Amino acid sequence: EPEVTQTPSHQVTQMGQEVILRCVPISNHLYFYWYRQILGQKVEFLVSFYNNEISEKSEIFDDQFSVERPDGSNFTLKIRSTKLEDSAMYFCASSGTASKRYEQYFGPGTRLTVT
Amino acid sequence: GDSVTQMEGPVTLSEEAFLTINCTYTATGYPSLFWYVQYPGEGLQLLLKATKADDKGSNKGFEATYRKETTSFHLEKGSVQVSDSAVYFCALSAGSGGGADGLTFGKGTHLIIQP
Repeated sequence: EPEVTQTPSHQVTQMGQEVILRCVPISNHLYFYWYRQILGQKVEFLVSFYNNEISEKSEIFDDQFSVERPDGSNFTLKIRSTKLEDSAMYFCASSGTASKRYEQYFGPGTRLTVT
Repeated sequence: GDSVTQMEGPVTLSEEAFLTINCTYTATGYPSLFWYVQYPGEGLQLLLKATKADDKGSNKGFEATYRKETTSFHLEKGSVQVSDSAVYFCALSAGSGGGADGLTFGKGTHLIIQP
């Protein structure tokens, strides 16, 4: 069964450093998403991406964040200058055709620890 | 803005007990509603969905009915098993546009089933 994959599973970085989290969505999916879950809190939407551009973003997704689909298979989230409060689990998700775009399939997550 | 409220956990039940996890929502328009499940160490898996009022979503013995009059989408299962132990998330998609809408999640309910 096709699945969303994410790398790395755990990333440790120092405050102020740039990080790139990588995701490979399900191959025929058209819509891509990033979410985060701070420990003990709810899963929060960050950004969605369709047709090579951002479709929707939350207020969390400020200028420190960017997304890219560099090669038609990977979908990346970059945090330009990490802060302690960026420590969280980051989930990538994808969904398929327009009629099924609400059915989002999630990857296993990348745990980001900022020290 | 949109929000989802679900019962706090942990919820501890004995095997074969009846399960209800309450979920209510606030949204403008006509959202789609979802239940996701997260097993230990894994990502979120779509459990079931309902896209319009009075729809019943069902999967793996779980079911939930979209009740517009009470803005609710309670998750039920007639006889739980130890393998159902997980965190359950209620979520909605506002579906306000044709693009990739992010999901709004509840805080999650940790379900523990004892043999």
